[in-house]
Amino acid sequence: QKEVEQNSGPLSVPEGAIASLNCTYSDRGSQSFFWYRQYSGKSPELIMSIYSNGDKEDGRFTAQLNKASQYVSLLIRDSQPSDSATYLCAVQGNSGTYKYIFGTGTRLKVLA
Amino acid sequence: DTGVSQDPRHKITKRGQNVTFRCDPISEHNRLYWYRQTLGQGPEFLTYFQNEAQLEKSRLLSDRFSAERPKGSFSTLEIQRTEQGDSAMYLCASSSLSEQYFGPGTRLTVT
Repeated sequence: QKEVEQNSGPLSVPEGAIASLNCTYSDRGSQSFFWYRQYSGKSPELIMSIYSNGDKEDGRFTAQLNKASQYVSLLIRDSQPSDSATYLCAVQGNSGTYKYIFGTGTRLKVLA
Repeated sequence: DTGVSQDPRHKITKRGQNVTFRCDPISEHNRLYWYRQTLGQGPEFLTYFQNEAQLEKSRLLSDRFSAERPKGSFSTLEIQRTEQGDSAMYLCASSSLSEQYFGPGTRLTVT
């Protein structure tokens, strides 16, 4: 079992729709969770961080965390063609390490 | 621009040569990370530093790879005797608390 799992996609949504991206992780002691956006040929860009159960909203982005289910999700409302990118989920381990583990990413395509 | 810089941005080298990459983190960040990323994969952890101390190194990392962070500022990643399988994007990131920010990366091509 991979430590951080994401569906590789592509996930295609029409412009203006809600895109839902999911991530599961195996280390139950994980404390910090992040979503990065990566455009082709560029480095990852941090878009959301979440540390406690529930929802966290920032503009069109909402991150959701459920530690009991070991599940993190990212919702993108009013999706735009410029949101087309690969979205990476990253998990930082429990106490004793500050290492981050990344999933393989989900490719999102927003169709105009 | 996150404030993390990497040099060079591109490197083409012949198999068997040594290469060195440099990363300058955000100045107030005490943790610095190196990753390798290949097409279709997420960043793969290589190693990280807290100040000048190298705290963790990937078990997958060959002994041809070495990293340093003298004085807890910039860091270098050296790959000795490069192989074609080393071709990848090498990413550096820095953090102070939890949020980590990436530099633009160094793309290595081994011919």
